[in-house]
Amino acid sequence: AQRVTQPEKLLSVFKGAPVELKCNYSYSGSPELFWYVQYSRQRLQLLLRHISRESIKGFTADLNKGETSFHLKKPFAQEEDSAMYYCALRGATNKLIFGTGTLLAVQP
Amino acid sequence: DTEVTQTPKHLVMGMTNKKSLKCEQHMGHRAMYWYKQKAKKPPELMFVYSYEKLSINESVPSRFSPECPNSSLLNLHLHALQPEDSALYLCASSQDRTGYTEAFFGQGTRLTVV
Repeated sequence: AQRVTQPEKLLSVFKGAPVELKCNYSYSGSPELFWYVQYSRQRLQLLLRHISRESIKGFTADLNKGETSFHLKKPFAQEEDSAMYYCALRGATNKLIFGTGTLLAVQP
Repeated sequence: DTEVTQTPKHLVMGMTNKKSLKCEQHMGHRAMYWYKQKAKKPPELMFVYSYEKLSINESVPSRFSPECPNSSLLNLHLHALQPEDSALYLCASSQDRTGYTEAFFGQGTRLTVV
């Protein structure tokens, strides 16, 4: 079975502080993992995918197969980073499921 | 064109009505999805179409009936819904090529069942 766990419903940090949004997954095969972001009143959009190992808007995420984790990190949070962040897993047959989401609030 | 377009944006329907939600993409994606999203909750997968064939039905009640008339269009037919079906319905599409399987989402249709 596929499962994605995001343990924090809300993460509140001050501007300039480091951010880490946690994501753990359960999947028996080789998963594809993504981070999606939903800004207020905007559509859900892709932030990162594990396979490309890129940095977008200062965010990075590394797949750790041993710990079955895909945590999202940013060294210095900005106010415009405030949004809902979803970790997602795509297994076989195009089944794409989402974790429960973490609301990131960056305080000035 | 890199967008997924959903119509209508808002829909109010009675419990005896029949209505349809529409979704369109012109990115050549061969996988298309329907999700249901309640307030402050994550998107919940309903259906997946791959190459215009239904590949996943997440035990969705039969009052929701998906249809994929061609590779660019996805419909969700609604009949005899309940008030608890009120939600944001999201359509998404993706390629079916390893390394490029991220899903692109529409803005959604906000459905209210009265």
